[in-house]
Amino acid sequence: GENVEQHPSTLSVQEGDSAVIKCTYSDSASNYFPWYKQELGKRPQLIIDIRSNVGEKKDQRIAVTLNKTAKHFSLHITETQPEDSAVYFCAASNTGFQKLVFGTGTRLLVSP
Amino acid sequence: NAGVTQTPKFRILKIGQSMTLQCTQDMNHNYMYWYRQDPGMGLKLIYYSVGAGITDKGEVPNGYNVSRSTTEDFPLRLELAAPSQTSVYFCASRQGPDTQYFGPGTRLTVL
Repeated sequence: GENVEQHPSTLSVQEGDSAVIKCTYSDSASNYFPWYKQELGKRPQLIIDIRSNVGEKKDQRIAVTLNKTAKHFSLHITETQPEDSAVYFCAASNTGFQKLVFGTGTRLLVSP
Repeated sequence: NAGVTQTPKFRILKIGQSMTLQCTQDMNHNYMYWYRQDPGMGLKLIYYSVGAGITDKGEVPNGYNVSRSTTEDFPLRLELAAPSQTSVYFCASRQGPDTQYFGPGTRLTVL
């Protein structure tokens, strides 16, 4: 089955810096890669996703890149703000795979 | 749409008691899931369902049971609660390969 590894487990940046979180997956048939943000005490919420037919997707300060050959995808947050502080989870799924497989999470701390 | 709703929000159980966590979605999603999240940890899949009448085990099914008699509802049953089941429980739903939505969670403490 699919296995997703996520790094780093914690990431501390200064406000205004960029943050990058990386995930690798094992199943070459995977074709859907969402990223979730979970604030303290809240539910995980989708912030961006990408499908295997594109290499990059942007939404304001966040972007996701996908390298199908290397089987890894990354979340990029530019101009970080204190409200970006949260735990971020990556996940992978393929068309016939009925579950999302989640990474172990990255705790991002943005210091003012 | 209310999305995914869960009840109760909080519950304290004594060891050996039983309870049912309720989950309902109004988006007509086929797929539904139960996860548990221990403090500071990731999401572990307990059970999932790909449609009414169909359920399957996830990573950590022991001590839990589910049923899916309708598209909308996916209750999670805890029998003989143990301290190891203290966790936050999230229900989620999804339509095929599209976005997965999470409910607000149920915080369960077993003493």
